Amino acid sequence: DIQMTQSPSSLSASVGDRVTITCRASQGISNLLAWYQQKPGKVPKLLIHTASTLHSGVPSRFSGSGSGTDFTLTISSLQPEDAATYYCQKYDNAPCTFGQGTKLEIK
Amino acid sequence: EVQLVQSGAEVKEPGESLKISCKGSGYSFANFGGQWIGWMRQTPGKGLEWMGIIYPARSDIRYSPSFQGQVTISVDNSISTAFLQWSSLRASDTAMYYCAKGYHGMDVWGQGTTVTVSS
Repeated sequence: DIQMTQSPSSLSASVGDRVTITCRASQGISNLLAWYQQKPGKVPKLLIHTASTLHSGVPSRFSGSGSGTDFTLTISSLQPEDAATYYCQKYDNAPCTFGQGTKLEIK
Repeated sequence: EVQLVQSGAEVKEPGESLKISCKGSGYSFANFGGQWIGWMRQTPGKGLEWMGIIYPARSDIRYSPSFQGQVTISVDNSISTAFLQWSSLRASDTAMYYCAKGYHGMDVWGQGTTVTVSS
């Protein structure tokens, strides 16, 4: 099965910073990758699908890129409400594995 | 409004069986447009684990190897509801369980069902 590895596992950044989270697939998955945001005690929310398409209602400071095995989620200007754990997920074929998550804290 | 509403919290003893549900509304649950229903597990302080997925229009089911044989996913299109069931619970099944729907990513999630397995 294809493994999904996110880096870093955690990071701390300041309001206004540009933040990048990486997700690597152990084999190519084309662009069939989604990113989710989960705040403590809350349900995950879809941010991006097909690697770079912003889901409806998601702020434009979020963006995604990549194809094949390497993907990134970028927050262009970090806001206090972006404190959360972020997950990537492949959905080219089952199993639709999640990355282990990246916990983002605001300094 | 498109919603997935899950059944309530459960407290069970090891060895008991359980079936939790996920009812869809506000969209065509069993259409042929490619909307899958997936089940995910999350244990306290841990990440999301993908358990399996069902395509209601065909009852096409795919399981994660980690959960194959441990759980059963099913659907009843007449009541727009998907199910996740266990025949014999273990303490290690204690977790939050989410259903979600989508095709390109899971765009609508249920509120989660907490399952506690303890003697």
